[in-house]
Amino acid sequence: NAGVTQTPKFQVLKTGQSMTLQCAQDMNHEYMSWYRQDPGMGLRLIHYSVGAGITDQGEVPNGYNVSRSTTEDFPLRLLSAAPSQTSVYFCASRPTFGGRTQYFGPGTRLLVL
Amino acid sequence: SQQGEEDPQALSIQEGENATMNCSYKTSINNLQWYRQNSGRGLVHLILIRSNEREKHSGRLRVTLDTSKKSSSLLITASRAADTASYFCATDDTGNQFYFGTGTSLTVIP
Repeated sequence: NAGVTQTPKFQVLKTGQSMTLQCAQDMNHEYMSWYRQDPGMGLRLIHYSVGAGITDQGEVPNGYNVSRSTTEDFPLRLLSAAPSQTSVYFCASRPTFGGRTQYFGPGTRLLVL
Repeated sequence: SQQGEEDPQALSIQEGENATMNCSYKTSINNLQWYRQNSGRGLVHLILIRSNEREKHSGRLRVTLDTSKKSSSLLITASRAADTASYFCATDDTGNQFYFGTGTSLTVIP
């Protein structure tokens, strides 16, 4: 199993550009989520999904969109990037039943100029 | 924000010593977990303690939970250089949202 994979590893954007951060998992987990990590702030939940076709907002959803068309994939879209979105983004997944442990991807480092 | 806080923010110890870090949180919880993050990597789950448990062990890890004080501690015994990492607590209620603390950066000096 590859676990949770994220692409790209690093991205530089100009203010106003859009992009999609990819996340995929091969563990057949129903629950997937996106976090951003900023210095001194820990991880903050952006959006999450409890299954294909179902998404919900987390603590800091503004400026981000998500969709969940398959169990495996959970892309995060930045519609119009802003410097405040410079951060490290982590995708995570966990099974709906059988525990609360989350499995994290390696992260995407995003710089918005 | 329901985010927790870890204390201390940074900790530096000699190899072989014990490391203790604390987590405080704000609301009632169902579970509390501890995760480790090596530099530039994703988080890795270490241990989970349920709200009705007071102490849990896993190898060199010991976790305590005091729900009356809304706090938890993580003890790493006989630390090794490989334990150098950031450590985060994460809480959840019966819903689908998880709240991470701000992290403790641990440096173990060989």
